Amino acid sequence: AQRVTQPEKLLSVFKGAPVELKCNYSYSGSPELFWYVQYSRQRLQLLLRHISRESIKGFTADLNKGETSFHLKKPFAQEEDSAMYYCALSGASNSGYALNFGKGTSLLVTP
Amino acid sequence: EAGVAQSPRYKIIEKRQSVAFWCNPISGHATLYWYQQILGQGPKLLIQFQNNGVVDDSQLPKDRFSAERLKGVDSTLKIQPAKLEDSAVYLCASSLGTDYYNEQFFGPGTRLTVL
Repeated sequence: AQRVTQPEKLLSVFKGAPVELKCNYSYSGSPELFWYVQYSRQRLQLLLRHISRESIKGFTADLNKGETSFHLKKPFAQEEDSAMYYCALSGASNSGYALNFGKGTSLLVTP
Repeated sequence: EAGVAQSPRYKIIEKRQSVAFWCNPISGHATLYWYQQILGQGPKLLIQFQNNGVVDDSQLPKDRFSAERLKGVDSTLKIQPAKLEDSAVYLCASSLGTDYYNEQFFGPGTRLTVL
């Protein structure tokens, strides 16, 4: 069975502080992990995927298979980072690689 | 390019009524998804189409939900009859193909309230 867990419903940090949004998963095979973001009054959109190993808007995420984690990090949070963040998994057992989402973490960056 | 279009954006109905949602994917995208997002939860896949064929409908409550994608382009999702627990945002997404590296693009969603 596949499961994505985001333990924090809400994370509040000050502007300029480091931020880490946690994501843990359970999956028996080799997963593909993603972070999606939804800014206020905007559509859900892809932020980054682990296979790309890229930094988007200063965010990075490393897949740790030993700890089954894919935490999202940014060294210096900005107010425009305030949004809803969803961790998602796509595994080979999914027909067609549909996404299995966590419940999401609301990030609030205050000045 | 134009994004995924959905209509209506909002719908309020009473329980036991019927409702239908429409989705127009990005041009050229072969794969279309319908997700249900209940308040406080992440999106949950209801059904996935590849062109006009169903790839995965294992989580679709088939006693009341139905979906079709005629001609492999637009899609409709229907609920008949609706229950209170169907209140949610229904998201449509599309991608070029079914492989994991194909980014899914989401529509704005239809917010359904069942009274």
